[in-house]
Amino acid sequence: ELKVEQNPLFLSMQEGKNYTIYCNYSTTSDRLYWYRQDPGKSLESLFVLLSNGAVKQEGRLMASLDTKARLSTLHITAAVHDLSATYFCAVVTYGQNFVFGPGTRLSVLP
Amino acid sequence: KAGVTQTPRYLIKTRGQQVTLSCSPISGHRSVSWYQQTPGQGLQFLFEYFSETQRNKGNFPGRFSGRQFSNSRSEMNVSTLELGDSALYLCASSFQGEETQYFGPGTRLLVL
Repeated sequence: ELKVEQNPLFLSMQEGKNYTIYCNYSTTSDRLYWYRQDPGKSLESLFVLLSNGAVKQEGRLMASLDTKARLSTLHITAAVHDLSATYFCAVVTYGQNFVFGPGTRLSVLP
Repeated sequence: KAGVTQTPRYLIKTRGQQVTLSCSPISGHRSVSWYQQTPGQGLQFLFEYFSETQRNKGNFPGRFSGRQFSNSRSEMNVSTLELGDSALYLCASSFQGEETQYFGPGTRLLVL
């Protein structure tokens, strides 16, 4: 059974600082997604990572995938308050089922 | 381009009733996926439809069912509602299912 873990679950950081959220999964996977969710809102897709070594960047966020280590990272550069949200990774198995991580609640303080 | 729409946005039902939720994908998108979000279980995948066929299914009991119409609109049905079915139900659409997904605003279901 595929398990997806995220680390840390809660993150409080100062504006302007850098940090990384980690997403580990337990079995081989077809692809990996990152999402953002603001309180009381729906999900917003951030990145789709399809192959080993894939790296995608959008603004202050950069995601990477290492399929051999079964690890994806979401790196935040020079955080700003607007990045405060909960971030989820989701892994798609070869059976094509989505399994989500528990989410990382990020709070960026001024 | 209009986004993904879900109706209704809020719903209150009682145990034992059934409910039908609707999702209209972005025009041209053929894949529609459904997810359940609860405080206790987090986000869970329900099922995915592509061209009117259920392509994938998560680990939910048979009370949860869905369908997709020829215009790609999708419905999900929950029969014999239980208190634990109270959740935010999200649908997402994508062109073929493997690309960026676009989410609707969700339907908040409360079962009393």
